[in-house]
Amino acid sequence: GEDVEQSLFLSVREGDSSVINCTYTDSSSTYLYWYKQEPGAGLQLLTYIFSNMDMKQDQRLTVLLNKKDKHLSLRIADTQTGDSAIYFCAGNTGFQKLVFGTGTRLLVSP
Amino acid sequence: DGGITQSPKYLFRKEGQNVTLSCEQNLNHDAMYWYRQDPGQGLRLIYYSQIVNDFQKGDIAEGYSVSREKKESFPLTVTSAQKNPTAFYLCASRDRDRGPVNTEAFFGQGTRLTVV
Repeated sequence: GEDVEQSLFLSVREGDSSVINCTYTDSSSTYLYWYKQEPGAGLQLLTYIFSNMDMKQDQRLTVLLNKKDKHLSLRIADTQTGDSAIYFCAGNTGFQKLVFGTGTRLLVSP
Repeated sequence: DGGITQSPKYLFRKEGQNVTLSCEQNLNHDAMYWYRQDPGQGLRLIYYSQIVNDFQKGDIAEGYSVSREKKESFPLTVTSAQKNPTAFYLCASRDRDRGPVNTEAFFGQGTRLTVV
C-alpha cells in the first residue's frame, strides 16, 4: 500500500518561511493535499495540487511537487504564531482512499 | 449549514465494553471514512464506505465494526476485541471521485476515546 512519510517536527521563528516536506511511494494519486490540524480538532484542507502540476501558489502557501522523486513540499511564507499546528500531506489512491502522512508539528516562536 | 458532526467529543469506556461513535453528515457525500490518530503515527484508516449498504476494511479494521444504513450516517463501534482503543477518532466524508475534478474531504471535530 501507499506509504507517506513526513518529518515529525519543525520549529521556526515568526516571520520566517517554513518548509514542510513529504515523500510518498505510490505515484497513482490524482491529487495531493495538505491539511492543517489545530489541537484537539479535525483536519482542514489548506491546499491541494493536481498530479500533473509542478507548483501551486495560494497566498502565503506554495506547494511544490516533484513526481520523479515522489516529493511534495509546503512552503509557508511569513509564518505566524497562528500557523502553529500539525500539517498532514495526503494522496488519493484507488477506491477513493485518502492516505495520510505521519504529520509534521510546526511550532512558531515569537 | 452543511457539515460533518461527530459525537460525543469525549468518551470513556471500561475495558471489555463495546462503544459506538457517531458520525453524521448533511453534505450529501457518497463516501465516508473513519480514521484513528495516535501521536507520531498520523492518521490510519479503519473503515471506509463509498455508498450506502457497502463498506470496506481499511488498514487497521481489527476490533472495529461499522454500518452504513443511511447516506448521512456512518457509526463506528469499538469492540472489546480492540486491544488498544484509547485514541483520537476522526470521521470524514467526501463526494465521489470525478476524474480531474478535485473532491475535498471534510472532517468532523473528532472523538477522544479513553479506556479506563
